[in-house]
Amino acid sequence: LAKTTQPISMDSYEGQEVNITCSHNNIATNDYITWYQQFPSQGPRFIIQGYKTKVTNEVASLFIPADRKSSTLSLPRVSLSDTAVYYCLVGPVVDSNYQLIWGAGTKLIIKP
Amino acid sequence: NAGVTQTPKFRVLKTGQSMTLLCAQDMNHEYMYWYRQDPGMGLRLIHYSVGEGTTAKGEVPDGYNVSRLKKQNFLLGLESAAPSQTSVYFCASSYGTGAYEQYFGPGTRLTVT
Repeated sequence: LAKTTQPISMDSYEGQEVNITCSHNNIATNDYITWYQQFPSQGPRFIIQGYKTKVTNEVASLFIPADRKSSTLSLPRVSLSDTAVYYCLVGPVVDSNYQLIWGAGTKLIIKP
Repeated sequence: NAGVTQTPKFRVLKTGQSMTLLCAQDMNHEYMYWYRQDPGMGLRLIHYSVGEGTTAKGEVPDGYNVSRLKKQNFLLGLESAAPSQTSVYFCASSYGTGAYEQYFGPGTRLTVT
């Protein structure tokens, strides 16, 4: 099972770009990197997923270097509503017996 | 589409009481999960199901039972509640397992006194 390491907490200001890095030194060849966002008193919500290089959607970008031992979630021009916990997970897309391991995530606080 | 719904939203139990949490999804997903989340921690998998009529143990199954009699429903039971089971419980469903996107319900906050 790939283990991930991410900062416990971060803070930033409205309008800034925020980068959250996740380390996954033991990532396997068929593992994908997935990020979820969790607001207080809500269930997690899928943000973005990637395998290598760069993935971008309307919410965030995910940067994955060639060795895939780390990844960076980038949130452009954050607002107060981006205050949440962000989880980085690694695992294969299809394996009936494989279950993702959720760490404590990164608590991101956006200040005005 | 309602997505994933959970019933009830809140519950207070006395030690030794039993209860059932209901999860329903309308996305025709094969896979369903029950997690618990304690303060400041990530999610821990209790039980999961890979299809109607099947269930499997996750990371922390002790003290819980589950059933998946219908594809759209996944029930979590506590036969004899203990204070250590005070937590927020999340249900999720997905098209596939592993890194397939999981869709979560709003959670059930359970307090055992």
